[in-house]
Amino acid sequence: GNSVTQMEGPVTLSEEAFLTINCTYTATGYPSLFWYVQYPGEGLQLLLKATKADDKGSNKGFEATYRKETTSFHLEKGSVQVSDSAVYFCALTLGPGGTSYGKLTFGQGTILTVHP
Amino acid sequence: DAGVIQSPRHEVTEMGQEVTLRCKPISGHDYLFWYRQTMMRGLELLIYFNNNVPIDDSGMPEDRFSAKMPNASFSTLKIQPSEPRDSAVYFCASRGTADTSDTQYFGPGTRLTVL
Repeated sequence: GNSVTQMEGPVTLSEEAFLTINCTYTATGYPSLFWYVQYPGEGLQLLLKATKADDKGSNKGFEATYRKETTSFHLEKGSVQVSDSAVYFCALTLGPGGTSYGKLTFGQGTILTVHP
Repeated sequence: DAGVIQSPRHEVTEMGQEVTLRCKPISGHDYLFWYRQTMMRGLELLIYFNNNVPIDDSGMPEDRFSAKMPNASFSTLKIQPSEPRDSAVYFCASRGTADTSDTQYFGPGTRLTVL
């Protein structure tokens, strides 16, 4: 089956610190990979994505590279801000032709708190 | 576009009562998803529709839960009778096949409290 495993949180950092949130996956096929972010009291929103091996997704200073050899999609940011405090979800979806087409498989989420 | 719209945003009810959650997907999207989020179980996919047809309801916890999509612009998730363990945030999301990015767009959620 398909699954996503994220590093356990919560993660607490000081402003301007470097952030890494690990994500690994298992999938039957070649998935597209996503990071979603959930700010307090809101729904999830797409942060970045990558659709094939070695693609790098980036947005708002966050980056993640699709590593097929290690089945990973780690999220990084060089300098976090207080406004980055949120829950981050790694997710995958498979392409057309399979029974799971259209579904997102989520990791358990990682809570990030950034202090001034 | 207004995005995915959910109502109500908050619902407080007593055990045994019927609860109906509503969702309006983004216009033109042909996939609709219902999720439940709790601290204990995280984010769970309950059911999803494609072109108004339920495709996978394996995540629906039990017969007390039912979902319908009578047309492309409206879906409901009903719990009857409700129980305290149903307390959670329920999200609706939609996606368009024409969007090759495979991105799902989430609504703001309905926070359900069953007393």
